[in-house]
Amino acid sequence: AQKITQTQPGMFVQEKEAVTLDCTYDTSDPSYGLFWYKQPSSGEMIFLIYQGSYDQQNATEGRYSLNFQKARKSANLVISASQLGDSAMYFCAMREVSNNNDMRFGAGTRLTVKP
Amino acid sequence: NAGVTQTPKFQVLKTGQSMTLQCAQDMNHNSMYWYRQDPGMGLRLIYYSASEGTTDKGEVPNGYNVSRLNKREFSLRLESAAPSQTSVYFCATLDRSSYNSPLHFGNGTRLTVT
Repeated sequence: AQKITQTQPGMFVQEKEAVTLDCTYDTSDPSYGLFWYKQPSSGEMIFLIYQGSYDQQNATEGRYSLNFQKARKSANLVISASQLGDSAMYFCAMREVSNNNDMRFGAGTRLTVKP
Repeated sequence: NAGVTQTPKFQVLKTGQSMTLQCAQDMNHNSMYWYRQDPGMGLRLIYYSASEGTTDKGEVPNGYNVSRLNKREFSLRLESAAPSQTSVYFCATLDRSSYNSPLHFGNGTRLTVT
């Protein structure tokens, strides 16, 4: 069964600095996708970035980038130039191609950006 | 341009009461999901519906039933609520035609069972 691990329950970062949120996963399927979501205090789930297992390059979306290390089964989210509005819960998730109906989530990391 | 709409937003139940959480989408996605979110546990899949007319159990289905009424609507029913079902419930949809498609979430229902 697929499993997602986020080992950092909480993280702090100074405004304008970069921060890395860790995510490791476990799967035997060679084809899968990794997703990151942001959940601000208002509660909605916001999709941030996607990385496919066969993608040659790390995904980037604006200030978000994904440090994808396939051999280590890690997909860390990097947020550059942190802003106060980045304070939120962040969830890593994975969907296996062989089990396309099922997206599993990690426990999440609460990020707090300090002014 | 509503996306995924969940009702109600908040609900308080007494132990043993029943209720149905409603979810409707206008995204024309075939797949719909129900998740629950608990502190420290992330989101856990309760049930999903790959397409109209089909439903399957997820990771934590006990105590819940679902109905895929049509392509747009997917409801979650608690027949006899228990305090352990206090949680935030999210409905989501997915375009399965593309592997890089993310889940699209509703805004959630906060349920408290006393």
